[in-house]
Amino acid sequence: GAVVSQHPSWVICKSGTSVKIECRSLDFQATTMFWYRQFPKQSLMLMATSNEGSKATYEQGVEKDKFLINHASLTLSTLTVTSAHPEDSSFYICSADTFDSGANVLTFGAGSRLTVL
Amino acid sequence: QKEVEQDPGPLSVPEGAIVSLNCTYSNSAFQYFMWYRQYSRKGPELLMYTYSSGNKEDGRFTAQVDKSSKYISLFIRDSQPSDSATYLCAMSPTGNQFYFGTGTSLTVIP
Repeated sequence: GAVVSQHPSWVICKSGTSVKIECRSLDFQATTMFWYRQFPKQSLMLMATSNEGSKATYEQGVEKDKFLINHASLTLSTLTVTSAHPEDSSFYICSADTFDSGANVLTFGAGSRLTVL
Repeated sequence: QKEVEQDPGPLSVPEGAIVSLNCTYSNSAFQYFMWYRQYSRKGPELLMYTYSSGNKEDGRFTAQVDKSSKYISLFIRDSQPSDSATYLCAMSPTGNQFYFGTGTSLTVIP
């Protein structure tokens, strides 16, 4: 089946620095990828929809200058958390829209745990 | 009212028990229904999906959709400690927008 690879799985950074998270679709092309944020024991919160070759669509309340999304190719989308602060510490998960036996489903990456000191 | 409602639990059962997980929804346009399993500190993995109403079985897992009641269920038979995880239901009207429940935390006790 479709595989989405996300890297790094865990990153620790100092406050004020920027962190880039990569999301790659393996063996398939993903014109659309989604970025989610998940707080402990809470559900997934959609941050933005990333479209290859165009600007990402951000959900209400998500700062586009804070969370930069680039979808430069059909297999790679990146999320950059700029000038990270401790409140940005969270679990970030990407997913790609895939077609599985007649239905559109989401295939998720393994997630990236960001800790900002 | 949330689009998708799911009891967060936690749910604790003995090994071998039958587990029933449920979600309700309000949008009658939902046609695609999915269940994801998420282990701690991992991304969700797709367990099952169903299009429209009906049942679908895969090994120990059975997914049911009742569109008239706007209610979906996931049954796990002969539950195992390895089934301990958070289970998320997800739904979509068109396959382009996905709406998630809050997840139910399940622990299967050996």
